[in-house]
Amino acid sequence: EVQLVESGGGLVQPGGSLRLSCAASGFTLSDHYMDWVRQAPEKGLEWLGRTRNKARGYSTLYAASVRDRFIISRHDSENSLYLQMDSLKTEDTAVYYCARVTTSGDYALDYWGQGTLVTVSS
Amino acid sequence: DIQMSQSPSTLSASVGDRVTITCRASQTINKNLAWFQQKPGKAPKLLIYKASSLAGGVPSRFSGSGSGTEFSLSISSLQPDDFATYSCQQYQDYPVTFGRGTTLEIK
Repeated sequence: EVQLVESGGGLVQPGGSLRLSCAASGFTLSDHYMDWVRQAPEKGLEWLGRTRNKARGYSTLYAASVRDRFIISRHDSENSLYLQMDSLKTEDTAVYYCARVTTSGDYALDYWGQGTLVTVSS
Repeated sequence: DIQMSQSPSTLSASVGDRVTITCRASQTINKNLAWFQQKPGKAPKLLIYKASSLAGGVPSRFSGSGSGTEFSLSISSLQPDDFATYSCQQYQDYPVTFGRGTTLEIK
């Protein structure tokens, strides 16, 4: 069974940093692209970025809103995905999800974690 | 960036009704569109990918159609479990973008 479990959320002050983790199980992480997506309170979903798979050299892409502040990394041997968030702003307050990109030749997000809440406030 | 416009933002319907939600892309995305269902406090669930392909385990009362810039999600006979928020997502180009969501509520 495919499972994604995020952790690391919490309360952080503006300007601070936080590192989120996503533990993957039930599939071979190195085969998949993986995304981070967030959802601010009462708002829609916002794509943050992607790490491609081993075959694509683990290259990364980011949304403009986080490109210079967030870094996505992965450690396939530990079945883990990470999101390093620096220079946090109040508008980064959201539930953060990791999601798996299907390998079927399509790029849909077929499995999501349950999310972890990040609150940026003084 | 490709903008995704969903309508309506809220839809009131009854159990047994057929409903349709529309998603429009600001430029062509071929058939690179997904639909998600989300309930309060839960993660999004993939319903439809490639505009019209049903994801595994999703009931056949859900269907998707469209290509280019106009897409729709239909639910043929609403069940109590279907009242939720539905969002479209394009993955034709980066950045990946989502619609703002349609809340389907009980009339």
